[in-house]
Amino acid sequence: GEDVEQSLFLSVREGDSSVINCTYTDSSSTYLYWYKQEPGAGLQLLTYIFSNMDMKQDQRLTVLLNKKDKHLSLRIADTQTGDSAIYFCAENGGSARQLTFGSGTQLTVLP
Amino acid sequence: EPEVTQTPSHQVTQMGQEVILRCVPISNHLYFYWYRQILGQKVEFLVSFYNNEISEKSEIFDDQFSVERPDGSNFTLKIRSTKLEDSAMYFCASSEGFGSNQPQHFGDGTRLSIL
Repeated sequence: GEDVEQSLFLSVREGDSSVINCTYTDSSSTYLYWYKQEPGAGLQLLTYIFSNMDMKQDQRLTVLLNKKDKHLSLRIADTQTGDSAIYFCAENGGSARQLTFGSGTQLTVLP
Repeated sequence: EPEVTQTPSHQVTQMGQEVILRCVPISNHLYFYWYRQILGQKVEFLVSFYNNEISEKSEIFDDQFSVERPDGSNFTLKIRSTKLEDSAMYFCASSEGFGSNQPQHFGDGTRLSIL
């Protein structure tokens, strides 16, 4: 079945850029998503990218998609302590009805 | 900004009891979903729902689970006879459409603890 993989932990210094990586296996994915989960909260949609794009920028967030390698990344510029959270990559596998999630990357921003 | 709301935030239930988890999707959304996340594991799809019918369900969504839209605003997940392994965080989501460019918006989840 479909699989989405992420590294579990990332630590960066405040003000640096963070890059969170994700790989997926389903070549029929049409949309790929990044969600953020703060402690005790739900999954907040951050951004998403259509599979025929290779880059999308939204303020401090840049999403890069390498469809050939099935690799997705989320870059957060000028990382702040408020960015500390778990970041989930998800894909829809060609079906709009269900998302397949990665295990989440715990981002820790150090002062 | 409109949001998906879930109640209760935490539910503790004895094994074998029935439990109903409640969700109020975003008001103009027509498509509803349930996911769960067992502690330390990935978020997993359970079921999607549209026009008062289940659209898709996963292998997890067996006969002990059911969903309902009892009125114009609520969307519920019922677990008939809970098991210890049902302990998880349950997330409700909704989307405006089923098209891939209609992202799913999630609630804060209900933490279900089965004793």
